[in-house]
Amino acid sequence: GAVVSQHPSWVICKSGTSVKIECRSLDFQATTMFWYRQFPKQSLMLMATSNEGSKATYEQGVEKDKFLINHASLTLSTLTVTSAHPEDSSFYICSARPITEKLFFGSGTQLSVL
Amino acid sequence: KQEVTQIPAALSVPEGENLVLNCSFTDSAIYNLQWFRQDPGKGLTSLLLIQSSQREQTSGRLNASLDKSSGRSTLYIAASQPGDSATYLCAVRGSQGGSEKLVFGKGTKLTVNP
Repeated sequence: GAVVSQHPSWVICKSGTSVKIECRSLDFQATTMFWYRQFPKQSLMLMATSNEGSKATYEQGVEKDKFLINHASLTLSTLTVTSAHPEDSSFYICSARPITEKLFFGSGTQLSVL
Repeated sequence: KQEVTQIPAALSVPEGENLVLNCSFTDSAIYNLQWFRQDPGKGLTSLLLIQSSQREQTSGRLNASLDKSSGRSTLYIAASQPGDSATYLCAVRGSQGGSEKLVFGKGTKLTVNP
């Protein structure tokens, strides 16, 4: 099946710093990628839809200035958590869909903000 | 607003047992339904995808059914093995406006004991 690579797998940072997470589709082109967030014991929630060459579409309640998304190529989308705070600590995961209907997910990034 | 519920939240069974995981959704206007497996600290692996026009899908020891009118899906695992231990997530994709958003349940944590 299709492979989506996400990096880093985990990151610990100080409050106020920015963290960048990369999501790559390794064997297919993805004009659209999706960023999800999962708090402990909660459902995965869609944060935003990343569109290659255009602005991301954010879900209601997600601050676009805090969660910067860049989809610079057909195989790479990045999520930058700016000025991270402890409440941003969560599991972030990206996904992409090749020509098939199935969504393929990256391995996720566990972010801990101290 | 679509809501997805998974019952039970956790399940522990002895090896070899057949089991059923349940998923229900409130809005029957879905495009498809997908079952995923999530291992601790890792990403999601797509198991089965059922289109809204389909009733079931099978892959190996897994069988997923869909009853769109009643808003229910089940994942049947035959002859369970310790390697099946993971959290199983159900997600629905809405059919409105070409949306690609997936709405996830909180998952069922399965433990298969040797």
